Amino acid sequence: GQSLEQPSEVTAVEGAIVQINCTYQTSGFYGLSWYQQHDGGAPTFLSYNGLDGLEETGRFSSFLSRSDSYGYLLLQELQMKDSASYFCAVEPTFGGGTRVLVKP
Amino acid sequence: ETGVTQSPTHLIKTRGQQVTLRCSSQSGHNTVSWYQQALGQGPQFIFQYYREEENGRGNFPPRFSGLQFPNYSSELNVNALELDDSALYLCASSLYSIGRDTEAFFGQGTRLTVV
Repeated sequence: GQSLEQPSEVTAVEGAIVQINCTYQTSGFYGLSWYQQHDGGAPTFLSYNGLDGLEETGRFSSFLSRSDSYGYLLLQELQMKDSASYFCAVEPTFGGGTRVLVKP
Repeated sequence: ETGVTQSPTHLIKTRGQQVTLRCSSQSGHNTVSWYQQALGQGPQFIFQYYREEENGRGNFPPRFSGLQFPNYSSELNVNALELDDSALYLCASSLYSIGRDTEAFFGQGTRLTVV
């Protein structure tokens, strides 16, 4: 089976940095994906890590350590529009999601 | 706009009834996956179809079934509806199947309520 663990909720202020950790247990692993979902919306793809290391896409970065079965999503220069749920996934299995609340 | 459309957007059914949900994938995407998402939870994998064949299944009973058609459309059928089936049902299309480096494009979902 597969399972992914991530914190349920994180609160931060505008301009801050947030790190969302994800640990996984999977049978068969190709890579770790991250998705963002706003309330009432569809999940949208943010990033994918197939190899160890850091992937940077604008204000968002994602990291993977295959030996530790661990990854994280880093949200920098937080904006109000970043308030959403964030899911890590070893597709097709998704984690339970981390709700990020950005305060003024 | 992901190019993945689902219909209907909302649906109310009675316990014991059957329902068919539809999804139109992005053109050229051979893979479609269906997910069930309860409020406040992550998407739960139901099954995946690749080139019209089931290519993987999550922990859902046989009353959840699907079809994929050559025109990049697909269906999720649920028989003998139960109250716990009330959820958002999402379809996602992608170029490749499970385990490949691929981005999944989700539709807006169908909100199913079973009463």
